[in-house]
Amino acid sequence: GESVGLHLPTLSVQEGDNSIINCAYSNSASDYFIWYKQESGKGPQFIIDIRSNMDKRQGQRVTVLLNKTVKHLSLQIAATQPGDSAVYFCAENITEWRLGGGSNYKLTFGKGTLLTVNP
Amino acid sequence: NAGVTQTPKFQVLKTGQSMTLQCAQDMNHEYMSWYRQDPGMGLRLIHYSVGAGITDQGEVPNGYNVSRSTTEDFPLRLLSAAPSQTSVYFCASSSKAGGPDTQYFGPGTRLTVL
Repeated sequence: GESVGLHLPTLSVQEGDNSIINCAYSNSASDYFIWYKQESGKGPQFIIDIRSNMDKRQGQRVTVLLNKTVKHLSLQIAATQPGDSAVYFCAENITEWRLGGGSNYKLTFGKGTLLTVNP
Repeated sequence: NAGVTQTPKFQVLKTGQSMTLQCAQDMNHEYMSWYRQDPGMGLRLIHYSVGAGITDQGEVPNGYNVSRSTTEDFPLRLLSAAPSQTSVYFCASSSKAGGPDTQYFGPGTRLTVL
């Protein structure tokens, strides 16, 4: 089964409100978490990331919170705009170290939350 | 830079046909990968490559082959298409194998297998 999941498949907010998108993960070995935005007909686009040794990281209008105790991740979007309407995915990463040096990373994606911003 | 490009954008195949999905990047990225995206599901890793000449299987590799003869190109081959392979396929590249934060996705190829 999926180790990364989302609590809410859809979220509808009014323009100007704050949005919170949640994500649960189950693999305590995950060392890195990423939020992606995917607009209709396009590939996912990186929004913000956070390492497992952090509990909060802020970007432009976005904040990611990580609670390792309950294995929970959230994306907060401030003053949501119509252009924020998209599907948002969380992803957890496990880094694998290769013999002879270097590393691989493997991302596991959640199913996504559809955010709709009403004008 | 064009970033990550994928061709074709749309494709319809009959069961049993073969085809190659093309992916190219002009950012000199070492790491490239293929994902499939099905309705209501997240992206699932098919195959990935940490550099030219090196490929490895992801979560759902069955029915797909890859090769990485150059840094720029990472084609995905379907040897005998099946309806279960109907999906949207995304190619992605990253600047280093140890850093998923710089992963760039292509626009996707929508494949339908009849």
